[in-house]
Amino acid sequence: KQEVTQIPAALSVPEGENLVLNCSFTDSAIYNLQWFRQDPGKGLTSLLLIQSSQREQTSGRLNASLDKSSGRSTLYIAASQPGDSATYLCAVKAGSTLGRLYFGRGTQLTVWP
Amino acid sequence: DADVTQTPRNRITKTGKRIMLECSQTKGHDRMYWYRQDPGLGLRLIYYSFDVKDINKGEISDGYSVSRQAQAKFSLSLESAIPNQTALYFCATSQTGEGEKLFFGSGTQLSVL
Repeated sequence: KQEVTQIPAALSVPEGENLVLNCSFTDSAIYNLQWFRQDPGKGLTSLLLIQSSQREQTSGRLNASLDKSSGRSTLYIAASQPGDSATYLCAVKAGSTLGRLYFGRGTQLTVWP
Repeated sequence: DADVTQTPRNRITKTGKRIMLECSQTKGHDRMYWYRQDPGLGLRLIYYSFDVKDINKGEISDGYSVSRQAQAKFSLSLESAIPNQTALYFCATSQTGEGEKLFFGSGTQLSVL
């Protein structure tokens, strides 16, 4: 069974810092990996999706990388802002288009002014 | 208007009552999902549907049933609610072949007393 782990569980940083959130998974036979953002009381918003054949994806200040062989993905946030405060979750889709998603428990990020 | 709409947003009910949570989407996606989120446990898949005639159990389907009334509508029922079904419930959609990025509704907070 695929297991997805996110470290750290919580992170508090001052505004302006560059930071890295980590996601690891136990089975490298994945179809894709997604990073989500969740704000309190709200649903999840997809930030970046990396297909298994890709190494990274970028959107604005966000960059996600994928290393299937080591079972790791990182989400890099540049020049963090208080508005980035949220819980970030990664989810791994099992090895085919019919596969299910496995979610990590998330990293709760606080960016203080 | 939201692309994935869940109703109700909040519900308080008593043990033994039958509850239906509804989800509708305007994205035209073929795949729909129901997840529950519990503190410390992350998101877990209850049921999913790849098209109108396709219904599949997820990892925690016991005590739940679903109905895919149309491509745009997917409802979740708790036949006889129990307190440990208190959770935040999310509906999500994706489209086969389009990277399969997941789009979430805003969630339904259900409390079973």
